[in-house]
Amino acid sequence: KQEVTQIPAALSVPEGENLVLNCSFTDSAIYNLQWFRQDPGKGLTSLLLIQSSQREQTSGRLNASLDKSSGRSTLYIAASQPGDSATYLCAVYTGTASKLTFGTGTRLQVTL
Amino acid sequence: EPEVTQTPSHQVTQMGQEVILRCVPISNHLYFYWYRQILGQKVEFLVSFYNNEISEKSEIFDDQFSVERPDGSNFTLKIRSTKLEDSAMYFCASSTDRELLYGYTFGSGTRLTVV
Repeated sequence: KQEVTQIPAALSVPEGENLVLNCSFTDSAIYNLQWFRQDPGKGLTSLLLIQSSQREQTSGRLNASLDKSSGRSTLYIAASQPGDSATYLCAVYTGTASKLTFGTGTRLQVTL
Repeated sequence: EPEVTQTPSHQVTQMGQEVILRCVPISNHLYFYWYRQILGQKVEFLVSFYNNEISEKSEIFDDQFSVERPDGSNFTLKIRSTKLEDSAMYFCASSTDRELLYGYTFGSGTRLTVV
């Protein structure tokens, strides 16, 4: 059974700092991994999608990497801003069942 | 950019009542899903739907739950007799393909409160 873990559970950084969020999964036979952002009480906004054949994806100040063999992904946020404050979720798709398995999330607060 | 639309955004219902949560997936998507998130917990898979039938369902998706695509645009989740523990945020999602080459698109959710 696929298990997805995210570390740290919460993170507070000053504005302008670069930061890394971690995601690990137990079953490396994944099709892809998706990073989402969730604002309090709101929906899930897709940030980046990495297919199993890819090593990384970039969008603006965000960079996600994937090491499938070791069961790890990182989300790198450059030059953090207060507007980046949210919960970041990673989710993996194994394809054996047509569903995503989510991690517990990292709650990020960027302070002025 | 195309969106998945969910209504209502918040619903309060009495225990034992039936509720229907509504979703309009992206028009050219073929695969539809419901997920839920109990406050403070992980987002959990409920059910996937393709070609007018359920593809997969989780242990959570018992006989109290049902899904339907009554017309070409809507996708609904019905809970027949709500329990307190059904209180959660319910997310609808859709995708173009089973392999998720383009990922999922989620709606903004319906917050269900059972009192």
